[in-house]
Amino acid sequence: QLQLLESGPGLVEPSETLSLACSVSGGSISSNTYFWGWIRQPPGKGLEWIGSFYDSGTTFYNPSLKSRVTIHVDTSKNQFSLKLNSVTAADTAVYYCVRHLRYNYGYFDFWGQGTLVTVSS
Amino acid sequence: DIVMTQSPESLAVSLGERATINCKSSQTVLNTSNNRNYLGWYQQKPGQPPKLLIYWASTRESGVPDRFSGSGSGTDFTLTISSLQAEDVAVYYCQQYYSTPITFGQGTRLEIK
Repeated sequence: QLQLLESGPGLVEPSETLSLACSVSGGSISSNTYFWGWIRQPPGKGLEWIGSFYDSGTTFYNPSLKSRVTIHVDTSKNQFSLKLNSVTAADTAVYYCVRHLRYNYGYFDFWGQGTLVTVSS
Repeated sequence: DIVMTQSPESLAVSLGERATINCKSSQTVLNTSNNRNYLGWYQQKPGQPPKLLIYWASTRESGVPDRFSGSGSGTDFTLTISSLQAEDVAVYYCQQYYSTPITFGQGTRLEIK
């Protein structure tokens, strides 16, 4: 059974870089059937897609965050990571790593449990 | 960007009654070359990640009870729960995957009346 597990600091200071990792088990991130990516959800609010990758490293991002976001892929560890720089309180959210199907941009069929990141000094 | 607008924002339905949630996209999400609508529905319970219910606007994900159904085409879509159960209390989201950026509706909170 596929499992996605997010990890990283729960507290980040304003203007610093948020860094999270997603460890994948039960499936390969090198599969050409899927995209893999990140979604976030501010407390009590809705869902925002951040960005994704395919083919072991080709990325595409939400334009609203593109200038601050980078997704890195480590196929040897079956992991991928998210870096979001120059964070503010508006970046406080639960961050989910996800898998989505490669039909246009895909529906999300597997989600990690999510990790809360708070931006505060 | 394709803007997804859900209605109502919240909904209270009696147990065993029908619940209907609407989703409207600002542009079509119908691919006329394959006649597929690139629209999904998700259920999110407190403290949990969203769970995929419906994709291609009307295809139920494996394991999803058949009281959940999706309909619609083009820009107007509906999620229907035919007979509300207590465990269906959740927030429901629609999502388009027709174009990037992938976008979600703002969510509809479903409660028991």
